[in-house]
Amino acid sequence: ETGVTQSPTHLIKTRGQQVTLRCSSQSGHNTVSWYQQALGQGPQFIFQYYREEENGRGNFPPRFSGLQFPNYSSELNVNALELDDSALYLCASSLNGPDLEAFFGQGTRLTVV
Amino acid sequence: KNEVEQSPQNLTAQEGEFITINCSYSVGISALHWLQQHPGGGIVSLFMLSSGKKKHGRLIATINIQEKHSSLHITASHPRDSAVYICAVRSGSGGGADGLTFGKGTHLIIQP
Repeated sequence: ETGVTQSPTHLIKTRGQQVTLRCSSQSGHNTVSWYQQALGQGPQFIFQYYREEENGRGNFPPRFSGLQFPNYSSELNVNALELDDSALYLCASSLNGPDLEAFFGQGTRLTVV
Repeated sequence: KNEVEQSPQNLTAQEGEFITINCSYSVGISALHWLQQHPGGGIVSLFMLSSGKKKHGRLIATINIQEKHSSLHITASHPRDSAVYICAVRSGSGGGADGLTFGKGTHLIIQP
């Protein structure tokens, strides 16, 4: 048990809709990273939040956005959903310092139909 | 951009066999992670290393920084070790602004 919890665990949305995924980070961790894992692929980095600000971003369009709250929990928002957005979305929390070990949540399985 | 390659992609072995999974990357890194993913999705961090060797139970991870290569070994493999094993690297100076770059994973099946 890593202490990182994600909700919901599964979600079905229709193309064009918007979705919000949530992540509660491990206690004391001020950094949250989000990843998208398509079926049969390794996870791809979406973005990272550190102390409520975006601190790095992968190759994802602006319709992928996020927030980090003062308690370091985080949201991933995806607008104008496309079929290819169907994937497992993982969040990982870590301390932004020399100890960069990341602790992963169980993921949210998003299906866009 | 770092390219992470894992081999083999799929591995089936008998219980008790010694297992080796390899990972190579193209650009210098600050840390390398070995992760385990079971069906259903959740990822568990097995090791984080930046040099040398680490051991935890039946698992051993090594890294050669000069050769940009790491290996994960499983001794006395057991069916419960069946999972996808993923190598991931963090590039740059370690400030944390870069996310992890992942390999595609090695799908390991240990048969009784």
